Amino acid sequence: ETGVTQTPRHLVMGMTNKKSLKCEQHLGHNAMYWYKQSAKKPLELMFVYNFKEQTENNSVPSRFSPECPNSSHLFLHLHTLQPEDSALYLCASSQVHPDGGYTFGSGTRLTVV
Amino acid sequence: RKEVEQDPGPFNVPEGATVAFNCTYSNSASQSFFWYRQDCRKEPKLLMSVYSSGNEDGRFTAQLNRASQYISLLIRDSKLSDSATYLCVVNSRNAGGTSYGKLTFGQGTILTVHP
Repeated sequence: ETGVTQTPRHLVMGMTNKKSLKCEQHLGHNAMYWYKQSAKKPLELMFVYNFKEQTENNSVPSRFSPECPNSSHLFLHLHTLQPEDSALYLCASSQVHPDGGYTFGSGTRLTVV
Repeated sequence: RKEVEQDPGPFNVPEGATVAFNCTYSNSASQSFFWYRQDCRKEPKLLMSVYSSGNEDGRFTAQLNRASQYISLLIRDSKLSDSATYLCVVNSRNAGGTSYGKLTFGQGTILTVHP
């Protein structure tokens, strides 16, 4: 596989469920990111990992918990979400200095019911 | 003021038209600039980087004006397949000169090209 792979593509979960989103990159990049895209809003940065260390948490509620076990894998653990958390969650990767831009995964479309 | 501002459109143009998108950014320390394209319900994909001298890639021309903190994208001879949302993206470096490693996205400009 090449590029950035995200699973699952679609997820419907109840407010009391616990689920995880997975991201894997095969590009040899050292930085990975979680972004949230809600309808009619710009992409919102959630978390940044450089060399598997978290370097930014953009005031994200604790019901979102990231995990980066190595430079190629990134998870987003979800628990007790709210309906307003329904959105497209995008993973991206880059070199640590992303002067070449990011490569995005296809995203997970999350619906909280 | 938003870090990256774009006219959301939508722009509706006929095939063959020339269309221009504008973007302004607020952080004067910004160092690298990009245009991304996002199709409906898909992920953003890099369209082109934007260089200080301006650059062209086929029908697409990007310009950067650092003094005015302004970026533009010109699309010539529009095709139906150009219909998408175009995202202006800025990477800012900190005072130490190292990149934050994060890109800031504008809200996007919607383009629809019709027959």
